[in-house]
Amino acid sequence: DIQMTQSPSSLSASIGDRVTITCQANQDISNYLNWYQQKPGEAPKLLVYGASNLQTGVPSRFSGNGSATDFSFTISNLQPEDFATYYCHQYDDLPLTFGGGTKVEVK
Amino acid sequence: EVQLVQSGAEMKKPGESLTISCEGSGYTFTSKWISWVRQMPGKGLEWMGRIDPRDSYTNYNPSFRGHVSMSVDTSIDTAYLQWTSLKAADSAMYFCARSGGVSENWFDSWGQGTLVTVSS
Repeated sequence: DIQMTQSPSSLSASIGDRVTITCQANQDISNYLNWYQQKPGEAPKLLVYGASNLQTGVPSRFSGNGSATDFSFTISNLQPEDFATYYCHQYDDLPLTFGGGTKVEVK
Repeated sequence: EVQLVQSGAEMKKPGESLTISCEGSGYTFTSKWISWVRQMPGKGLEWMGRIDPRDSYTNYNPSFRGHVSMSVDTSIDTAYLQWTSLKAADSAMYFCARSGGVSENWFDSWGQGTLVTVSS
């Protein structure tokens, strides 16, 4: 299985901050990497697919980058509705696997 | 509007069987794969497997193969996740999610989740 190591597991930030989360694969996955947001009691929501493509309707303050084994996800101007848990997800090989998640909390 | 609507919460005893469902609407059901994702209480996301509604072809995560089965009924645009003998460790939230083919393997629409509680 491809292991996805996401860091940090949690972080505290303030409104307006720039937040960056990283995800590292234990083998080359090209750009086959997605990012999701999950709020408590809700289903995950797709934000970025193919490492850097913003899903339709997702605000431009969200962005993704990277290829091969190292990926990053950035929220450029943190808004109140962005406090949530974020997951990376690789689809280069089966079984599909997720990172462990990053909880973004209020500072 | 694309929607995946899942069946309601279930409370079962160990050893019992269970089938939960996921009904798609707002798109051609056979054009997208349906995956099932488990989330144990307070934990992350685990991909269980997926089914192609066109021909019921399945891929299972080895961690779940043999313990669950997936099926579809295209006459009512519904996918199913089934257990024949539940364990307490199956207590979790289960999500269905749709994705495109191999090159578009992202989950762009999710069901609301079905909470399964297994307890004696």
